[in-house]
Amino acid sequence: AQSVTQLGSHVSVSEGALVLLRCNYSSSVPPYLFWYVQYPNQGLQLLLKYTTGATLVKGINGFEAEFKKSETSFHLTKPSAHMSDAAEYFCAVTPGHGGSQGNLIFGKGTKLSVKP
Amino acid sequence: DAGVIQSPRHEVTEMGQEVTLRCKPISGHDYLFWYRQTMMRGLELLIYFNNNVPIDDSGMPEDRFSAKMPNASFSTLKIQPSEPRDSAVYFCASSYRQEEFFGPGTRLTVL
Repeated sequence: AQSVTQLGSHVSVSEGALVLLRCNYSSSVPPYLFWYVQYPNQGLQLLLKYTTGATLVKGINGFEAEFKKSETSFHLTKPSAHMSDAAEYFCAVTPGHGGSQGNLIFGKGTKLSVKP
Repeated sequence: DAGVIQSPRHEVTEMGQEVTLRCKPISGHDYLFWYRQTMMRGLELLIYFNNNVPIDDSGMPEDRFSAKMPNASFSTLKIQPSEPRDSAVYFCASSYRQEEFFGPGTRLTVL
């Protein structure tokens, strides 16, 4: 079974500061991991995903995440926050290659606020 | 591709009325998901289909909710009768190879 824990339901940073959104997962098989972003009044959009290969994954809008198997983590980072990054971010996990495909298991989300 | 299409985008109805939400997945995607999102409960998976067959409906709140997928390009989520606590944003998503693509959602308000 898979599960996702996002630490911090709300994170606030200043414009230009580092963004760090935490995600820990539990999976009985090698996972595929995802970060989605939801802007107000919109659906979820894929930011980046890890399937296999390089553990540092780069996504859109300058975001990246690193898969750390030993820590069962997939934290999302961005070196310098922009006002337009204010949104809700969801981490998700699903069984990877060799596992049965089904739905993504989503975390509860982290709302990011960016102060001017 | 136009992405996942949902209609209507907004629906306001009165308690007791039947509500039907519609979804057109991305062509070629073999999975379709229905989610509900509220402030209180966050994002909840209601049901999902694989190749038009319902696989897991354990998230459907109660018998008032039903979903169908008569073909690969269309799905409906029906609430009958609707209640105020059903007010939420309902998302449809489709996937191929485990990457889910979300529609814009239907904002349902039940008065």
